[in-house]
Amino acid sequence: TQLLEQSPQFLSIQEGENLTVYCNSSSVFSSLQWYRQEPGEGPVLLVTVVTGGEVKKLKRLTFQFGDARKDSSLHITAAQPGDTGLYLCAGKIANAGGTSYGKLTFGQGTILTVHP
Amino acid sequence: DTEVTQTPKHLVMGMTNKKSLKCEQHMGHRAMYWYKQKAKKPPELMFVYSYEKLSINESVPSRFSPECPNSSLLNLHLHALQPEDSALYLCASSQVRVVHTGELFFGEGSRLTVL
Repeated sequence: TQLLEQSPQFLSIQEGENLTVYCNSSSVFSSLQWYRQEPGEGPVLLVTVVTGGEVKKLKRLTFQFGDARKDSSLHITAAQPGDTGLYLCAGKIANAGGTSYGKLTFGQGTILTVHP
Repeated sequence: DTEVTQTPKHLVMGMTNKKSLKCEQHMGHRAMYWYKQKAKKPPELMFVYSYEKLSINESVPSRFSPECPNSSLLNLHLHALQPEDSALYLCASSQVRVVHTGELFFGEGSRLTVL
């Protein structure tokens, strides 16, 4: 059972287009992160959201955390070839018990290709 | 530039070899992690160290042996690996505190190929 459903798995678009990636779950998350990973590199943290309904912007990237903290989205405006990469959402399930660190639940990832 | 440094960046080894992957961080984090990642898939957790003690082992085969010599260093010793162990091995670190949000800081990874 995949606790964090990420969609779409693949996205191929032209430079200048807009796109949205979604992460959905039936579980409540105490926090959720978005990471971007380029080929041969490690994931790089883009943003953390912790409050239901929260919206954060990072240049052309807009991140939303659902009101119920069960879903999140990443919207990219006017995509550029440099945005190409694997986008991962990951989060900590609320009230999961045990330690307060360690296990993140990852989505399956979205491979984004932006063509010039 | 990442503040988590992994060496080597690439490693090719035979199934009878013994090798080690190394990771170093200087962010003062007291939790360190090893993840395994196959191509175009999310990272899979292998081990977690907290305050230099192993706190999570995700049922990883004994041919992988982690070690945390101090709060800045994390090693992964490899012995008698199988070709299916070929993957990108990622080290990560994070804070350890009650309200920790789960943010991980990853290294660039070590690309392992087992022949």
